[in-house]
Amino acid sequence: GAGVSQSPSNKVTEKGKDVELRCDPISGHTALYWYRQSLGQGLEFLIYFQGNSAPDKSGLPSDRFSAERTGGSVSTLTIQRTQQEDSAVYLCASSLVLGQGNTEAFFGQGTRLTVV
Amino acid sequence: AQKITQTQPGMFVQEKEAVTLDCTYDTSDPSYGLFWYKQPSSGEMIFLIYQGSYDQQNATEGRYSLNFQKARKSANLVISASQLGDSAMYFCAMTGGYQKVTFGTGTKLQVIP
Repeated sequence: GAGVSQSPSNKVTEKGKDVELRCDPISGHTALYWYRQSLGQGLEFLIYFQGNSAPDKSGLPSDRFSAERTGGSVSTLTIQRTQQEDSAVYLCASSLVLGQGNTEAFFGQGTRLTVV
Repeated sequence: AQKITQTQPGMFVQEKEAVTLDCTYDTSDPSYGLFWYKQPSSGEMIFLIYQGSYDQQNATEGRYSLNFQKARKSANLVISASQLGDSAMYFCAMTGGYQKVTFGTGTKLQVIP
């Protein structure tokens, strides 16, 4: 696709339910990132994929959070047993990887998750 | 490890004036890139400008310029002739080697008419 695509754009879920957020990066981008952003706040890094492997998952806030990436393309972020504090916008980004550092990250429109 | 520091949580600027948003960084990679992004209230992240560590000249894109001072490890964003539409959150970011893009905490800019 032309840009990073995220789905759904909005998700309202009941506390305790599991949710899956999907990210389809720009074709050819081997690096993929997940961030979380609460209203008016900065970007909270969650996980970084290089191809299908995740060299940096240090930002996942708890074991209820997991992410996978298959075929070096689509990634899914899963939140189990959602809590109200999980409510936020979840942003996905992708970039090319070069020897001197990644190119700029291109962001999707985000998924706004509301846990009620 | 990479680190980006933005010390200004919020700033005000008069319309048509220039404003500088501060960014300092730390890295052990000899080759790296620095970026600035704009996030308006709509929430989208808009890439503004890029500076490579070996670039001899400061990057410019229209009204945006990056004041790159390598010895001081600073990469400040200068916006000239501020417009009301420049009101937004601004993030500084960097990458180096095969490391992920690292973001700062952001600066909220408000342009006053």
